Order: sequence, then C-alpha cells, then structure tokens
Amino acid sequence: AQSVTQLDSQVPVFEEAPVELRCNYSSSVSVYLFWYVQYPNQGLQLLLKYLSGSTLVKGINGFEAEFNKSQTSFHLRKPSVHISDTAEYFCAVSDHGQNFVFGPGTRLSVLP
Amino acid sequence: EAQVTQNPRYLITVTGKKLTVTCSQNMNHEYMSWYRQDPGLGLRQIYYSMNVEVTDKGDVPEGYKVSRKEKRNFPLILESPSPNQTSLYFCASSPPGHSSRTDTQYFGPGTRLTVL
Repeated sequence: AQSVTQLDSQVPVFEEAPVELRCNYSSSVSVYLFWYVQYPNQGLQLLLKYLSGSTLVKGINGFEAEFNKSQTSFHLRKPSVHISDTAEYFCAVSDHGQNFVFGPGTRLSVLP
Repeated sequence: EAQVTQNPRYLITVTGKKLTVTCSQNMNHEYMSWYRQDPGLGLRQIYYSMNVEVTDKGDVPEGYKVSRKEKRNFPLILESPSPNQTSLYFCASSPPGHSSRTDTQYFGPGTRLTVL
C-alpha cells in the first residue's frame, strides 16, 4: 500500500515570491505522481503528472515539479506566485492498481 | 461542454434515511471513482469502476454502495447514513487509455452532505 505525506498544511507567501510545496510518498512498487489544485468551492483539476522519463515535469499556470526517486519526493514549485494561485494543493500517487491515494493537502495563501 | 455533474450539490438528511448521490459524465470515460474529502485527511477513495458492471472498493468503502449499469452514470448509495458520513463528496472520471491509473481524472463540483 502506498501513502502520501504533505508536511505543510498551510503555506503563506507574498505575491511574486517563489514557493515550494512538499510531497513525499511511500510505496513498495513504482508509482505515478500527480499534483491537483482545488480553488475555493470547486472540484480538483490536474496541475501536472509524472509518469516516466524526465524527472522535471512542467504543468499549467507556471508550476513545475521534480521527481526524486531516492528521496521519494515530488515537490511542487513556482518561481513567482500570484494572488490567483491561492488554493489548496493535493499530491497524489497511483500504483499498479487502479486506486489513487491523495495527500492531506496544503493550503497556499498568497498575500498582497 | 465536457463535464462531470453531481446531484444534489448540497444535502442535509437524518441518520438512517437512504440516499443516493448521482454522478454523470458526458466524455465517454470508462473509469469513474468516488472520493470523500475531510479536513486534514485530503481525499480518500470510496469506490471506483473500470467499466460498466465492474466496480471495486477503494480505501474507505464501508457504509457505501455503488453501481455502474451505464457508462455515463456512477451513483453513490448510502443505505443507512450515519453522522460520520458527513463530508464533501467528489465524483471523478478518466478517459479510456492503456491504463487509467496514468490518466488525468476530471472531477465533479462536489456534493456537501450533512447527516444529523
């Protein structure tokens, strides 16, 4: 069975500053990794995903994430955040089965 | 417009009164799934379905039932709701492909359920 840890439940950051949201996972098999974003009162939408190949993955809205197998991490980064990035961010893994496991989420608050 | 719809969006009910939350997608997706979202716990998978008449348990299936009689619909049934099932519920679907575990999931808008 796999699990996902998001160490920071809340991350406040000023507008135009860089941000990193941390995600670590545990699994006994190879996994696929995802980051989803949830804006207030909405469902989730995919930011980016890692399936194979290059460990640096670029997603929508200027976000990117790097897969680090040795550290079992998949941290999400953005070099300069905007007010509109205020949302909750979920890291998720999927293994050889068909079920997905989500982390508890990190609430990003971008301050003016 | 391609979308996943859920009904109702909000529901307040009492313990033991059977209810159904509907989920429908118009994208011809094979894979569909139900999640519940609780503060500090993220999303936990309740049930998923690989295709019509094929369903399987997720991480927290107790107290829930599902059916998949048609490709587009995947209703969630609570036969005897209890207060610990008060939560925000999301339905999701994925497009057909060589492996739905690698595909993007498209989420519905959510159903907020309160069981008194």
